[in-house]
Amino acid sequence: DGGITQSPKYLFRKEGQNVTLSCEQNLNHDAMYWYRQDPGQGLRLIYYSQIVNDFQKGDIAEGYSVSREKKESFPLTVTSAQKNPTAFYLCASSITAGSESPLHFGNGTRLTVT
Amino acid sequence: AQKVTQAQTEISVVEKEDVTLDCVYETRDTTYYLFWYKQPPSGELVFLIRRNSFDEQNEISGRYSWNFQKSTSSFNFTITASQVVDSAVYFCALEGSQGNLIFGKGTKLSVKP
Repeated sequence: DGGITQSPKYLFRKEGQNVTLSCEQNLNHDAMYWYRQDPGQGLRLIYYSQIVNDFQKGDIAEGYSVSREKKESFPLTVTSAQKNPTAFYLCASSITAGSESPLHFGNGTRLTVT
Repeated sequence: AQKVTQAQTEISVVEKEDVTLDCVYETRDTTYYLFWYKQPPSGELVFLIRRNSFDEQNEISGRYSWNFQKSTSSFNFTITASQVVDSAVYFCALEGSQGNLIFGKGTKLSVKP
């Protein structure tokens, strides 16, 4: 079955360490997105990529980095510069960037930094 | 600026009650899309509906219905005869200029047996 796989489901790190969250999709979608969810805050856009080898900052990109070397993969690195990294991270994809297709979401990774 | 407001943070109902989740949006675009997503306790977001700003007809899908009122910039979601399985956080969203979604803060719905 096609879908979006995020791994791991739970991730624990010490403060000051970089950590990379995985996002893989086999839907052949061009566009991919990373959102951050905090309690009572809804989802906020971190980065998005409309096509391979291209990505753009979202609303809260500071302290994060991404790469898009393959169509299927859009890993997110949470760097030590991110002041409040503990959150639930959701990856999404769509056929193209635009309203022709809704976003499909992965199951999320819950990151805890202590 | 584009913005989505879900004023109800939490709603609790008893099974079989009808419940309406409110969504108010702001946009300067003349053409736009609105969405509703459901987030069960497992965490993934499940797509429920997409609505084009040109189409103001209400939509019904089983126990779910949506009321789009362009005049009041609202896109409300009603669940009829609620069930325990409807317990989740529901998000209303507006499509942004880059194809991303701008989400409201969500409404947590608890349906008690």
